[in-house]
Amino acid sequence: GQNIDQPTEMTATEGAIVQINCTYQTSGFNGLFWYQQHAGEAPTFLSYNVLDGLEEKGRFSSFLSRSKGYSYLLLKELQMKDSASYLCAVTDSNYQLIWGAGTKLIIKP
Amino acid sequence: ETGVTQTPRHLVMGMTNKKSLKCEQHLGHNAMYWYKQSAKKPLELMFVYSLEERVENNSVPSRFSPECPNSSHLFLHLHTLQPEDSALYLCASSQDRGGPYEQYFGPGTRLTVT
Repeated sequence: GQNIDQPTEMTATEGAIVQINCTYQTSGFNGLFWYQQHAGEAPTFLSYNVLDGLEEKGRFSSFLSRSKGYSYLLLKELQMKDSASYLCAVTDSNYQLIWGAGTKLIIKP
Repeated sequence: ETGVTQTPRHLVMGMTNKKSLKCEQHLGHNAMYWYKQSAKKPLELMFVYSLEERVENNSVPSRFSPECPNSSHLFLHLHTLQPEDSALYLCASSQDRGGPYEQYFGPGTRLTVT
């Protein structure tokens, strides 16, 4: 079967750095997405990786290793507004998007 | 209006009612999606439409019936639902299905079945 694993919840301190991991087992691979979802709101796109390596976008970076079936989202200089759920999703060989259950990130002052 | 809109935002219905959820996208996208989101579970893809044709139906019970009259509008018709159908229903659109195309989500309809 197809599976995406992420930690259920993480806690970090304002101003610090946090890494949210995602491992996947899917039928083929055509890209990996990270989305952010604040409580009560819709998910919004953060990043897309299809090649191995690190993609940096301001305070957020996303890394992919296709051989290991592994990605992480790195958030730097954490702000209180970064408290949200972070969803990892993988496009399989049929271009179907497989979603993880999300990681709830709690930022403490 | 910009982006993806959904109405209603909240809906309470009895198990014998019939109601419809509406989604509209103002982005000129070719693909539209219905998702179900339950607490602490992954997003469940229900239906995918590409250029107004249904291309995916992920074993969704027949009490959920989608309709895509044109590339900007998507409906989800509901009838004789069960309490376990209570969830957040999200609509999304993307430029095309698959590939590097990010999905844009509407705010969702919070559905409660009593």
